[in-house]
Amino acid sequence: AQSVTQLDSHVSVSEGTPVLLRCNYSSSYSPSLFWYVQHPNKGLQLLLKYTSAATLVKGINGFEAEFKKSETSFHLTKPSAHMSDAAEYFCVVSDLSRAGGTSYGKLTFGQGTILTVHP
Amino acid sequence: NAGVTQTPKFQVLKTGQSMTLQCAQDMNHNSMYWYRQDPGMGLRLIYYSASEGTTDKGEVPNGYNVSRLNKREFSLRLESAAPSQTSVYFCASSGPGLAYNEQFFGPGTRLTVL
Repeated sequence: AQSVTQLDSHVSVSEGTPVLLRCNYSSSYSPSLFWYVQHPNKGLQLLLKYTSAATLVKGINGFEAEFKKSETSFHLTKPSAHMSDAAEYFCVVSDLSRAGGTSYGKLTFGQGTILTVHP
Repeated sequence: NAGVTQTPKFQVLKTGQSMTLQCAQDMNHNSMYWYRQDPGMGLRLIYYSASEGTTDKGEVPNGYNVSRLNKREFSLRLESAAPSQTSVYFCASSGPGLAYNEQFFGPGTRLTVL
């Protein structure tokens, strides 16, 4: 069974300082990993994804994440926080499954990390 | 393309009432999903439909039923709503092609059961 642990429920940074959101995962197979962002009262938007290509993944809005198999981690970083980055972030692990001849992804979500950015 | 759309956006029910949440996608995706989001718990899978004509239970299916009406539409029904079903409900879809496991989410339905 796969699982995801986001190590911080809340992270607070000042505008212009680096952001680090930590995520550890557990999966029986070679997983796909994602980070989604959810702004208040909005749906989920994909930030970036790892699918066994380059271990350093670049996403939208200056975010990136590094897949470290030896540490089973997929931490999200950004060099300089912006006020608009304030949101909740979800680390997600996915294993491909098949049903009725169709491939689909079963996602397991972490509990979420709320990022607050101070002026 | 509208992507994934959900109706309604907000709903208030009384305990015991029934309702259906509607979801549609225009991306020709095979697979569709219903999740609920509760504070501090991330998103949990209620039901999914890997392809048209099939549906399966997810992590928290009790109290819900689903219908995959056609390739585009996947509805979630609460037969007798309970306060424990107060939540935000998200529909998602995925595939076909290289990104089988990348899911695209709708804007959500905020449901309150009194």
